[in-house]
Amino acid sequence: NAGVTQTPKFRVLKTGQSMTLLCAQDMNHEYMYWYRQDPGMGLRLIHYSVGEGTTAKGEVPDGYNVSRLKKQNFLLGLESAAPSQTSVYFCASKATNEKLFFGSGTQLSVL
Amino acid sequence: KQEVTQIPAALSVPEGENLVLNCSFTDSAIYNLQWFRQDPGKGLTSLLLIQSSQREQTSGRLNASLDKSSGRSTLYIAASQPGDSATYLCAVYFGNEKLTFGTGTRLTIIP
Repeated sequence: NAGVTQTPKFRVLKTGQSMTLLCAQDMNHEYMYWYRQDPGMGLRLIHYSVGEGTTAKGEVPDGYNVSRLKKQNFLLGLESAAPSQTSVYFCASKATNEKLFFGSGTQLSVL
Repeated sequence: KQEVTQIPAALSVPEGENLVLNCSFTDSAIYNLQWFRQDPGKGLTSLLLIQSSQREQTSGRLNASLDKSSGRSTLYIAASQPGDSATYLCAVYFGNEKLTFGTGTRLTIIP
């Protein structure tokens, strides 16, 4: 039981490049989330999903897209990376009315 | 706007002391509340989940309480140890789907 797994752990992009972050959970959780964490800003919700095939916008969705084609996977895409998207990205998942579990994070730098 | 506040932002206490971390939120109609710890450069580890019908939860030396009417939660740590040094985050479910995080209290236990 690996819990919540994020890949990659580190990535450096140039402005305008695209990439996809992958989150996988093996706990059969319905809910999955993408957060970004920045110094002094705390954790902010980007997008989330309440089940396979569903997605919804969070607090800071602009510049990001997501997909939940399979229940165990939640993908976060950056179509045209900007320096303002330099951050640590965390994926999380939970079952209904249960604890939220986090992955170990992805450090993304956009130059 | 639904907000979560944690004061102070940083706290230092000598080893062995009992301590209390505070969390306040703006809307008393919360669903659940969860406490996390985050070590530098790491992901978030769930400590305690308090469901809306509960007033407290305990795990080892940790005790979390919830007072919805006053919009407050506290995390009590007994007999603090250097290994307790970390950032502690409070997160509130204002509905069943989304969590709103406080910016955390950085705790340092002085040996």
